Amino acid sequence: KAGVTQTPRYLIKTRGQQVTLSCSPISGHRSVSWYQQTPGQGLQFLFEYFSETQRNKGNFPGRFSGRQFSNSRSEMNVSTLELGDSALYLCASSLKTGTVNTGELFFGEGSRLTVL
Amino acid sequence: GENVEQHPSTLSVQEGDSAVIKCTYSDSASNYFPWYKQELGKGPQLIIDIRSNVGEKKDQRIAVTLNKTAKHFSLHITETQPEDSAVYFCAPWDSWGKLQFGAGTQVVVTP
Repeated sequence: KAGVTQTPRYLIKTRGQQVTLSCSPISGHRSVSWYQQTPGQGLQFLFEYFSETQRNKGNFPGRFSGRQFSNSRSEMNVSTLELGDSALYLCASSLKTGTVNTGELFFGEGSRLTVL
Repeated sequence: GENVEQHPSTLSVQEGDSAVIKCTYSDSASNYFPWYKQELGKGPQLIIDIRSNVGEKKDQRIAVTLNKTAKHFSLHITETQPEDSAVYFCAPWDSWGKLQFGAGTQVVVTP
């Protein structure tokens, strides 16, 4: 069974640009969550999608957005990039949404974004 | 929201010794308490979890204990091996239905 796949693995952007990251969850998983990981702030929750609906949102500005498609694949977008957006962006999938039940999150290896 | 504190931030142990990491949380409604392990270049991976109706859970060399009254839970690793070297995160489930990760503990096991 394939794990969570994130693309691209590495990317470099300049300030002001925008970026789109993609996540393919484990087959059968309908919940996809996104996390930002930085040395200073650790792992911070961005948002969660379940059945194409955003179910939860963290404390990030509106420049950070996401969506989920009918096949459960998800994308997140960051517009008007800032230097502080440099981070590892992790996607995780699970069988159920967090608002209904707890359960294991399966993480991908992340997309490392560098903003110059 | 949930306030999570994890200690220590770094832990160096000799191979074969035990390691203990403690996590305190603030949300009394939390009812699910997992520990994740992150190796270099990889995403976090669940290693053990516990729910609020039990006080301790073991899986081979790894155990988690929960004290819900004091709002803390701990990860115990016995007979540590070099492959246990990684960053460990506690991540209590808050009342809003999402994991709140601790700052992480860098564990180094020296042969």
